[in-house]
Amino acid sequence: DQQVKQNSPSLSVQEGRISILNCDYTNSMFDYFLWYKKYPAEGPTFLISISSIKDKNEDGRFTVFLNKSAKHLSLHIVPSQPGDSAVYFCAASALSGNQFYFGTGTSLTVIP
Amino acid sequence: SQTIHQWPATLVQPVGSPLSLECTVEGTSNPNLYWYRQAAGRGLQLLFYSVGIGQISSEVPQNLSASRPQDRQFILSSKKLLLSDSGFYLCACNRRNSYEQYFGPGTRLTVT
Repeated sequence: DQQVKQNSPSLSVQEGRISILNCDYTNSMFDYFLWYKKYPAEGPTFLISISSIKDKNEDGRFTVFLNKSAKHLSLHIVPSQPGDSAVYFCAASALSGNQFYFGTGTSLTVIP
Repeated sequence: SQTIHQWPATLVQPVGSPLSLECTVEGTSNPNLYWYRQAAGRGLQLLFYSVGIGQISSEVPQNLSASRPQDRQFILSSKKLLLSDSGFYLCACNRRNSYEQYFGPGTRLTVT
């Protein structure tokens, strides 16, 4: 059972515009959420995270929004750059456990 | 910061042959360790995690096994590979009480 879902397998955006990647989860016990970026044939790298006590976290061009009532989070990239082209995974974890649950990923293509 | 080493980077093995993938971690002690698999067009599937030497939790029933003979060494094995074992295998770690996972460079396994 997929507890973390990324319903858009791919997204194309023009350079300079905003990229919005979405993620939904089903487990209300999740209290920490992360976004990872992955290039082909490499391991994912940590991008940004958010605790459930917040609804927004910002780091440079990257902002993550959390809507706990909707069990939904999103990653905004502004402005998008060609180097942002990669697969983005969202992940969730619960304080009581050691497990991380990953979504299926969204492939972002930023068109120059 | 943590550094994760995985080898080999690529591997082509015939069906029915054994498998041994190794992962070692530098820069932290007593980490949580994880094995994930990313199949073609799929997300990251958690296979095993370990919170200490000799302590292995399995997430998915399969013909794979894992062992942690030393604090910063994690090994993924199989006695007889199946075609469905093909994929990109990732080792990851995180510090205790930290949500951020760090990933190794991955091993591309092709079972023929």
